[in-house]
Amino acid sequence: GAVVSQHPSWVICKSGTSVKIECRSLDFQATTMFWYRQFPKQSLMLMATSNEGSKATYEQGVEKDKFLINHASLTLSTLTVTSAHPEDSSFYICSARRASGIQDTQYFGPGTRLTVL
Amino acid sequence: DAKTTQPTSMDCAEGRAANLPCNHSTISGNEYVYWYRQIHSQGPQYIIHGLKNNETNEMASLIITEDRKSSTLILPHATLRDTAVYYCIVILEGNTPLVFGKGTRLSVIA
Repeated sequence: GAVVSQHPSWVICKSGTSVKIECRSLDFQATTMFWYRQFPKQSLMLMATSNEGSKATYEQGVEKDKFLINHASLTLSTLTVTSAHPEDSSFYICSARRASGIQDTQYFGPGTRLTVL
Repeated sequence: DAKTTQPTSMDCAEGRAANLPCNHSTISGNEYVYWYRQIHSQGPQYIIHGLKNNETNEMASLIITEDRKSSTLILPHATLRDTAVYYCIVILEGNTPLVFGKGTRLSVIA
Protein backbone atom coordinates (compact mmCIF):
# COMPACT_ATOMS: atom_id res chain seq x y z
CA GLY A 1 0.00 0.00 0.00
CA ALA A 2 0.86 3.72 0.01
CA VAL A 3 1.72 4.05 -3.69
CA VAL A 4 2.04 7.45 -5.29
CA SER A 5 2.35 7.78 -9.06
CA GLN A 6 3.40 10.67 -11.27
CA HIS A 7 2.84 11.30 -14.92
CA PRO A 8 4.75 11.88 -17.06
CA SER A 9 8.04 10.49 -15.80
CA TRP A 10 9.92 12.84 -18.07
CA VAL A 11 9.05 15.67 -20.44
CA ILE A 12 10.94 17.91 -22.83
CA CYS A 13 9.32 21.14 -23.91
CA LYS A 14 10.13 24.36 -25.69
CA SER A 15 10.68 27.59 -23.82
CA GLY A 16 7.43 29.49 -23.33
CA THR A 17 5.14 26.48 -23.27
CA SER A 18 3.25 25.11 -20.28
CA VAL A 19 3.65 21.64 -18.82
CA LYS A 20 1.25 19.78 -16.54
CA ILE A 21 2.42 17.09 -14.12
CA GLU A 22 -0.07 14.76 -12.43
CA CYS A 23 0.33 13.18 -9.02
CA ARG A 24 -1.97 10.40 -7.85
CA SER A 25 -2.28 8.45 -4.63
CA LEU A 26 -3.25 5.02 -5.92
CA ASP A 27 -4.39 3.14 -2.86
CA PHE A 28 -5.22 5.78 -0.28
CA GLN A 29 -6.88 9.13 0.00
CA ALA A 30 -4.65 12.11 0.60
CA THR A 31 -6.11 15.27 2.01
CA THR A 32 -2.67 16.89 1.77
CA MET A 33 -0.16 16.67 -1.06
CA PHE A 34 3.19 18.38 -1.44
CA TRP A 35 5.32 19.41 -4.39
CA TYR A 36 9.11 19.43 -4.27
CA ARG A 37 11.80 20.39 -6.74
CA GLN A 38 15.32 19.01 -6.91
CA PHE A 39 18.21 20.44 -8.89
CA PRO A 40 21.25 18.28 -9.75
CA LYS A 41 23.41 17.36 -6.76
CA GLN A 42 21.06 19.19 -4.38
CA SER A 43 18.47 18.09 -1.87
CA LEU A 44 14.72 18.32 -2.29
CA MET A 45 13.20 21.76 -1.85
CA LEU A 46 9.57 22.11 -0.81
CA MET A 47 7.63 24.25 -3.26
CA ALA A 48 4.07 24.13 -1.97
CA THR A 49 1.53 22.35 0.19
CA SER A 50 -1.78 21.48 -1.36
CA ASN A 51 -4.98 20.64 0.50
CA GLU A 52 -7.92 19.09 -1.28
CA GLY A 53 -10.50 21.68 -2.23
CA SER A 54 -8.50 24.73 -1.18
CA LYS A 55 -5.74 26.94 -2.52
CA ALA A 56 -2.17 25.76 -2.23
CA THR A 57 0.27 27.32 0.20
CA TYR A 58 3.54 28.26 -1.50
CA GLU A 59 6.97 28.46 0.07
CA GLN A 60 8.82 31.73 0.04
CA GLY A 61 10.37 32.44 -3.33
CA VAL A 62 8.06 30.15 -5.29
CA GLU A 63 5.88 32.06 -7.76
CA LYS A 64 2.29 30.92 -7.44
CA ASP A 65 1.37 32.31 -10.85
CA LYS A 66 4.12 30.32 -12.49
CA PHE A 67 3.58 27.04 -10.66
CA LEU A 68 -0.16 26.42 -10.66
CA ILE A 69 -1.31 23.70 -8.29
CA ASN A 70 -4.73 22.10 -8.34
CA HIS A 71 -5.88 19.50 -5.82
CA ALA A 72 -9.37 18.76 -7.01
CA SER A 73 -9.83 15.33 -5.46
CA LEU A 74 -8.48 13.24 -2.60
CA THR A 75 -6.31 11.23 -5.00
CA LEU A 76 -5.13 13.75 -7.57
CA SER A 77 -3.02 16.88 -7.55
CA THR A 78 -1.57 18.62 -10.58
CA LEU A 79 1.33 21.02 -11.00
CA THR A 80 1.38 23.19 -14.10
CA VAL A 81 4.60 24.98 -14.96
CA THR A 82 3.44 27.96 -17.01
CA SER A 83 5.61 29.67 -19.61
CA ALA A 84 8.48 27.37 -18.83
CA HIS A 85 12.06 28.55 -19.25
CA PRO A 86 15.35 26.65 -19.18
CA GLU A 87 15.92 27.58 -15.52
CA ASP A 88 12.73 25.64 -14.68
CA SER A 89 14.43 22.45 -15.81
CA SER A 90 14.48 20.24 -12.74
CA PHE A 91 13.27 17.04 -11.11
CA TYR A 92 9.75 17.60 -9.73
CA ILE A 93 8.55 15.22 -7.04
CA CYS A 94 5.14 15.03 -5.44
CA SER A 95 4.27 13.57 -2.07
CA ALA A 96 1.02 12.53 -0.47
CA ARG A 97 0.31 12.30 3.22
CA ARG A 98 -1.38 9.13 4.38
CA ALA A 99 -3.25 9.27 7.65
CA SER A 100 -2.37 6.27 9.82
CA GLY A 101 -3.65 6.68 13.32
CA ILE A 102 -1.43 8.74 15.58
CA GLN A 103 1.08 10.00 13.06
CA ASP A 104 0.77 10.57 9.33
CA THR A 105 3.47 9.55 6.89
CA GLN A 106 4.42 11.17 3.60
CA TYR A 107 4.89 8.94 0.57
CA PHE A 108 6.61 10.12 -2.57
CA GLY A 109 6.05 9.69 -6.26
CA PRO A 110 8.84 8.60 -8.61
CA GLY A 111 9.42 12.13 -9.88
CA THR A 112 9.11 13.92 -13.21
CA ARG A 113 12.19 15.20 -14.99
CA LEU A 114 11.43 18.40 -16.87
CA THR A 115 13.81 19.70 -19.50
CA VAL A 116 13.04 23.07 -21.08
CA LEU A 117 14.88 23.81 -24.30
CA ASP B 1 11.37 21.56 13.44
CA ALA B 2 14.63 20.48 15.04
CA LYS B 3 17.78 20.53 12.94
CA THR B 4 19.56 17.27 12.16
CA THR B 5 23.23 16.57 11.53
CA GLN B 6 24.36 13.59 9.46
CA PRO B 7 27.75 12.55 8.06
CA THR B 8 28.14 13.51 4.43
CA SER B 9 29.05 10.03 3.27
CA MET B 10 29.69 6.49 4.45
CA ASP B 11 30.84 3.22 2.94
CA CYS B 12 29.65 -0.23 3.89
CA ALA B 13 30.69 -3.68 2.72
CA GLU B 14 28.00 -5.74 1.09
CA GLY B 15 26.40 -8.16 3.55
CA ARG B 16 27.48 -6.18 6.58
CA ALA B 17 25.26 -4.01 8.75
CA ALA B 18 25.10 -0.34 7.80
CA ASN B 19 24.75 1.99 10.78
CA LEU B 20 23.78 5.53 9.84
CA PRO B 21 23.93 8.08 12.67
CA CYS B 22 21.85 11.22 13.05
CA ASN B 23 22.19 13.95 15.63
CA HIS B 24 19.10 15.91 16.64
CA SER B 25 20.09 17.45 19.94
CA THR B 26 17.37 20.15 19.87
CA ILE B 27 14.49 17.72 19.36
CA SER B 28 11.36 18.46 21.37
CA GLY B 29 9.01 16.04 23.04
CA ASN B 30 6.39 15.93 20.30
CA GLU B 31 8.78 15.61 17.36
CA TYR B 32 9.18 12.37 15.47
CA VAL B 33 12.33 11.03 13.81
CA TYR B 34 11.78 9.93 10.20
CA TRP B 35 14.17 8.21 7.83
CA TYR B 36 13.87 8.25 4.05
CA ARG B 37 16.26 7.29 1.31
CA GLN B 38 16.62 8.42 -2.27
CA ILE B 39 18.13 6.19 -4.88
CA HIS B 40 19.54 8.08 -7.83
CA SER B 41 16.88 9.70 -10.04
CA GLN B 42 13.98 8.34 -8.00
CA GLY B 43 11.58 9.81 -5.46
CA PRO B 44 12.39 9.38 -1.76
CA GLN B 45 11.36 6.11 -0.18
CA TYR B 46 9.96 5.96 3.35
CA ILE B 47 11.98 3.65 5.61
CA ILE B 48 10.90 4.01 9.20
CA HIS B 49 9.96 6.49 11.90
CA GLY B 50 9.80 6.65 15.69
CA LEU B 51 9.09 8.88 18.65
CA LYS B 52 10.78 7.40 21.72
CA ASN B 53 11.00 3.66 21.39
CA ASN B 54 13.21 1.68 19.06
CA GLU B 55 11.41 0.51 15.97
CA THR B 56 11.94 -2.32 13.49
CA ASN B 57 10.31 -3.18 10.20
CA GLU B 58 11.16 -5.27 7.17
CA MET B 59 13.60 -2.68 5.90
CA ALA B 60 15.51 -1.44 8.90
CA SER B 61 15.77 -0.79 12.62
CA LEU B 62 15.70 2.60 14.27
CA ILE B 63 17.52 3.05 17.55
CA ILE B 64 16.72 6.27 19.43
CA THR B 65 18.82 7.19 22.45
CA GLU B 66 17.08 7.60 25.76
CA ASP B 67 17.55 11.38 25.73
CA ARG B 68 16.30 11.39 22.10
CA LYS B 69 19.18 13.60 21.02
CA SER B 70 20.44 11.14 18.46
CA SER B 71 19.39 8.08 16.55
CA THR B 72 20.85 5.37 14.35
CA LEU B 73 19.32 3.72 11.33
CA ILE B 74 20.49 0.14 10.92
CA LEU B 75 20.29 -1.79 7.68
CA PRO B 76 21.10 -5.28 8.96
CA HIS B 77 22.54 -6.81 5.78
CA ALA B 78 23.38 -4.12 3.25
CA THR B 79 23.15 -4.94 -0.45
CA LEU B 80 24.33 -3.00 -3.48
CA ARG B 81 20.74 -1.83 -3.98
CA ASP B 82 20.90 -0.01 -0.65
CA THR B 83 23.30 2.51 -2.16
CA ALA B 84 21.42 5.81 -1.81
CA VAL B 85 21.24 9.11 0.03
CA TYR B 86 19.67 8.61 3.45
CA TYR B 87 17.79 11.45 5.09
CA CYS B 88 17.08 11.79 8.79
CA ILE B 89 14.25 14.27 9.37
CA VAL B 90 12.72 15.49 12.61
CA ILE B 91 9.14 16.65 12.31
CA LEU B 92 6.32 17.76 14.53
CA GLU B 93 3.34 15.46 14.75
CA GLY B 94 0.46 16.51 12.56
CA ASN B 95 0.50 18.26 9.23
CA THR B 96 3.89 19.87 8.79
CA PRO B 97 5.70 18.84 5.59
CA LEU B 98 9.04 17.10 5.48
CA VAL B 99 12.02 19.40 5.04
CA PHE B 100 15.09 17.68 3.63
CA GLY B 101 18.70 18.37 4.60
CA LYS B 102 21.71 17.03 2.74
CA GLY B 103 21.55 13.50 4.09
CA THR B 104 24.22 10.80 4.12
CA ARG B 105 25.38 9.23 0.88
CA LEU B 106 25.77 5.52 1.63
CA SER B 107 27.85 3.49 -0.78
CA VAL B 108 27.60 -0.28 -0.43
CA ILE B 109 30.71 -1.91 -1.82
CA ALA B 110 30.97 -5.45 -3.14
